[in-house]
Amino acid sequence: DAEITQSPRHKITETGRQVTLACHQTWNHNNMFWYRQDLGHGLRLIHYSYGVQDTNKGEVSDGYSVSRSNTEDLPLTLESAASSQTSVYFCASSDSFFWDEQFFGPGTRLTVL
Amino acid sequence: ELKVEQNPLFLSMQEGKNYTIYCNYSTTSDRLYWYRQDPGKSLESLFVLLSNGAVKQEGRLMASLDTKARLSTLHITAAVHDLSATYFCAVDPNSNYQLIWGAGTKLIIKP
Repeated sequence: DAEITQSPRHKITETGRQVTLACHQTWNHNNMFWYRQDLGHGLRLIHYSYGVQDTNKGEVSDGYSVSRSNTEDLPLTLESAASSQTSVYFCASSDSFFWDEQFFGPGTRLTVL
Repeated sequence: ELKVEQNPLFLSMQEGKNYTIYCNYSTTSDRLYWYRQDPGKSLESLFVLLSNGAVKQEGRLMASLDTKARLSTLHITAAVHDLSATYFCAVDPNSNYQLIWGAGTKLIIKP
């Protein structure tokens, strides 16, 4: 069965370190998204991609970057982790039909000390 | 500013009762999504509503969309404990998959 996976599932890091969160989908979806979820804020879009070599900034992109070298993967990098980036991060993917919902990965809980 | 407002944000109810969650949004959107999230888990798609007057039902959940009023409702019929979760609505105002999310409604259903 097709799926979307994230790794690691839990990560503790220190302020200032670079961190990369992996996202891998086997749906063969063109669109991929990174969100962060914080209590009281719902989900906020960090970066998104409509296909290979395409990346775009979302609502809360400062301090984050992504790259899309193939269809399956969209890694999220925190250039210099800050305590404000402590959050749960979700990756999602969708096909390009206008009615398509997004399918979500299991999430990564990141703590920045 | 684009806003998606859900109410209530928290709802505790008894099994067997009916209730409705409301999702208001501040700009036009061709489509509206409802998702469910169990504690500590990922998000699961429930409904995609694509046009004014759209109604979809799955089990005890029914979602509807009024694009003129910029309002969607998620109605729960004869609630059961298994429906306890947080429910999110989201809109796609620019039809480009960049969803704007509500803050979620945490639903607790007591036996």
